[in-house]
Amino acid sequence: DTGVSQDPRHKITKRGQNVTFRCDPISEHNRLYWYRQTLGQGPEFLTYFQNEAQLEKSRLLSDRFSAERPKGSFSTLEIQRTEQGDSAMYLCASSSVGGQPQHFGDGTRLSIL
Amino acid sequence: DQQVKQNSPSLSVQEGRISILNCDYTNSMFDYFLWYKKYPAEGPTFLISISSIKDKNEDGRFTVFLNKSAKHLSLHIVPSQPGDSAVYFCAASVDTGGYGNKLVFGAGTILRVKS
Repeated sequence: DTGVSQDPRHKITKRGQNVTFRCDPISEHNRLYWYRQTLGQGPEFLTYFQNEAQLEKSRLLSDRFSAERPKGSFSTLEIQRTEQGDSAMYLCASSSVGGQPQHFGDGTRLSIL
Repeated sequence: DQQVKQNSPSLSVQEGRISILNCDYTNSMFDYFLWYKKYPAEGPTFLISISSIKDKNEDGRFTVFLNKSAKHLSLHIVPSQPGDSAVYFCAASVDTGGYGNKLVFGAGTILRVKS
């Protein structure tokens, strides 16, 4: 049973560039979540999907952020015009329809130069 | 506002002894609680959970206790092993009423088990 897979593991980019991350959930899970974690803090919720529908977005998700899950399988998180404050670990999690527990991937670490 | 708080940034325990990690929450709507363990360069790994209708849940060396009146939960690890050294996150969610089960995390406690 493969777990949640995230790609890339690390991304270094210059301020102002666009970046896109991918998450492949556990295959039978229909719920997919994105979280962001900064140093010394726990993960913070960004958004979640049930199948292909995006059902909730945190106020942390500014209009520079967009997430999709076009066929209810993998998901992408895009950040446009990156800023220094976007530097963080971006974590993806998935769960079955019951909701818990959520299983996390190893994350994508974003560094903005 | 921090709805889930882990007030101890770190904890050091001797191998074989009990580790007790604490967590407090403020939102009375939370009805499901989880503990995750995180090693460096890895994502959080689910450890154990408890529903608000229970006050205790055990899984091997791990036991979670919930005190709803005090809005407090704790994770007990007995006996502690060096491989338990990691960051432990407490998380809470509202699992009813279509809230989507998003998790609210504490800031984590670093557990170091000395051999």
